Amino acid sequence: NAGVTQTPKFQVLKTGQSMTLQCAQDMNHEYMSWYRQDPGMGLRLIHYSVGAGITDQGEVPNGYNVSRSTTEDFPLRLLSAAPSQTSVYFCASSSDYGIGADTQYFGPGTRLTVL
Amino acid sequence: AQSVTQPDIHITVSEGASLELRCNYSYGATPYLFWYVQSPGQGLQLLLKYFSGDTLVQGIKGFEAEFKRSQSSFNLRKPSVHWSDAAEYFCAVGEDKLSFGAGTTVTVRA
Repeated sequence: NAGVTQTPKFQVLKTGQSMTLQCAQDMNHEYMSWYRQDPGMGLRLIHYSVGAGITDQGEVPNGYNVSRSTTEDFPLRLLSAAPSQTSVYFCASSSDYGIGADTQYFGPGTRLTVL
Repeated sequence: AQSVTQPDIHITVSEGASLELRCNYSYGATPYLFWYVQSPGQGLQLLLKYFSGDTLVQGIKGFEAEFKRSQSSFNLRKPSVHWSDAAEYFCAVGEDKLSFGAGTTVTVRA
């Protein structure tokens, strides 16, 4: 199993550009989520999904869109990038909603810079 | 609302010495608690987790953590630190949504 994969690893955008961060998992996990990591702030939840076709907002959803058309994939879209979105983005997955039942597995991250 | 506080931003420890990282949480019910480690340029790796039962939890890489409900704490310990333990450590609480602390960076000196 590859686990949780993320592409790209690095990306530089100009303000106003759009892009999609890709996340895929091959563990047949129902629950997937996106976090951003900023210095001194730990990880903050952006959006999450409890299964195909179901998504919900986390702590910092503004400026980001998600969709979940398949169990395996959970892309994160930046519609109009802003410098405040410069961050490291992590995707995670787990087998159950209500993660008390299981561990979240994290991808290697995407480092995004918005100029 | 759930939250996590890691009071120590940076800790320096000598190789072979013991290590303790502090974590205090706020959570309305029985907490699900986690410790993750992040090596430079890497994703997060789960060290250990507490859901219920024995309050002393053993994890990977020789780490353990103790849940103390009366102190709302879940401190991470390791008896003898190796140079490879230099990393950033995150405490997290939550069930369906995790809340992370700001992290503690551990430096190991020879």
